[in-house]
Amino acid sequence: QKEVEQNSGPLSVPEGAIASLNCTYSDRVSQSFFWYRQYSGKSPELIMSIYSNGDKEDGRFTAQLNKASQYVSLLIRDSQPSDSATYLCAVNRGTKAAGNKLTFGGGTRVLVKP
Amino acid sequence: KAGVTQTPRYLIKTRGQQVTLSCSPISGHRSVSWYQQTPGQGLQFLFEYFSETQRNKGNFPGRFSGRQFSNSRSEMNVSTLELGDSALYLCASSLASGSETQYFGPGTRLLVL
Repeated sequence: QKEVEQNSGPLSVPEGAIASLNCTYSDRVSQSFFWYRQYSGKSPELIMSIYSNGDKEDGRFTAQLNKASQYVSLLIRDSQPSDSATYLCAVNRGTKAAGNKLTFGGGTRVLVKP
Repeated sequence: KAGVTQTPRYLIKTRGQQVTLSCSPISGHRSVSWYQQTPGQGLQFLFEYFSETQRNKGNFPGRFSGRQFSNSRSEMNVSTLELGDSALYLCASSLASGSETQYFGPGTRLLVL
């Protein structure tokens, strides 16, 4: 079982719709959770970080974390063609003592069709 | 505040050569992590440096090494290059080591012929 799993997609959504991306992780001691967006040929860009159970909203993006189910999701509301990219889920089970232990999922490719 | 910078942005090398990549973190960030990204393996952790010390290392051969300087700038070195080392090498910085948010640089694209 991979440490962080995502559906590779592509997830095709019409412009203006909601895109829903899911991610599961295997290590229960994971401390922090991140969503990055990566355009083709570019480096990952941070969209959202979430540390505690529940929802966190930032503009058109909402991250949801459920540590009991080891599940984190990202909703993109009012999807725009510029949202077409690969979305990477990242889970960090690191601590100040142990250092960074950030693991990425394989990414979900999202296509927003006008 | 300036972001993470990486040099060079593109590099072409031949098998057997060695290469050194450089990363300057965001001002005030003391932790630098390196990742390799390939289409087949995705984003894989290479190593993390904090206060000039390697904190963690991923599952890569000893040909991959790095270091960090007192100003938090970091370099990574790959010796005896193989075709499979062709990849996008990404550097990310964070304020401290651990579960902090990491911010990525633009990457160095390495092609080994």
